[in-house]
Amino acid sequence: AQSVTQLDSQVPVFEEAPVELRCNYSSSVSVYLFWYVQYPNQGLQLLLKYLSGSTLVESINGFEAEFNKSQTSFHLRKPSVHISDTAEYFCAVSDEAGNMLTFGGGTRLMVKP
Amino acid sequence: DTAVSQTPKYLVTQMGNDKSIKCEQNLGHDTMYWYKQDSKKFLKIMFSYNNKELIINETVPNRFSPKSPDKAHLNLHINSLELGDSAVYFCASSQGGAGGGNTGELFFGEGSRLTVL
Repeated sequence: AQSVTQLDSQVPVFEEAPVELRCNYSSSVSVYLFWYVQYPNQGLQLLLKYLSGSTLVESINGFEAEFNKSQTSFHLRKPSVHISDTAEYFCAVSDEAGNMLTFGGGTRLMVKP
Repeated sequence: DTAVSQTPKYLVTQMGNDKSIKCEQNLGHDTMYWYKQDSKKFLKIMFSYNNKELIINETVPNRFSPKSPDKAHLNLHINSLELGDSAVYFCASSQGGAGGGNTGELFFGEGSRLTVL
C-alpha cells in the first residue's frame, strides 16, 4: 500500500518570492510520482511527473520537483511565484505498474501581491 | 472540445432522493474513474473501470452504483442521498492501467458539486 503526506495544508507567500511545497510518500515498491494542480472551480491538471531517469523534473510554467529516494520525498519548488499560481496542489503516487494513483491531502498555495 | 465532460456541474437535492451524474471522455482512453473530493479538498478514489469492466471498487456504500455502457462513458448513480454525500465528484480517464498505466497521467473533468439538504 502507498500513502502520501503533504506536510503543509496552506502556504501563503508574496508574489515573486520562492516557494517549496513539501511531499513525502511511503511505498514498499518502486513508484511513479506526480504533482497535480487544481485552480478554483476546476478539475485537476497534471503539472509534472517523475517516471524514471533524471530525478529533477520541470513543468512548462517554471515549477520543478526533485525525486529523493533516500528521503522518500518529491518536493515542488518555484523560484518566483505569480498571483496566477494561486491554486491547490496535490502530490500523488502510483506503483510502477501504474496502478492505484493515491493523492496527498493537498496544499493551498496563496500568492499575495 | 472538452476532453472529459461531466453533467450536471451543480446538483442540489433533498435527503433520500436518487440522482445521477454523467461522464463522457473523447480521448479514446481505456480507463475511467470516479473520485470524491470532500470539503477539506481530500481526494479519494471510488471506482475505476477498464473497458467497461469494474477494476477498482473502494469501500463505498452500496447506494453508489457506477455504470459504464461503453468505454467512453462512466455514470454514477446515487440512491437514498445522505448529508454526508455532499462533495465534489470528479470523473477522470487514463490510457491504460488503474493508476494511469505507464504514463501515470489522469485527465479530470471539471467536477460535479453535489449538495444534499
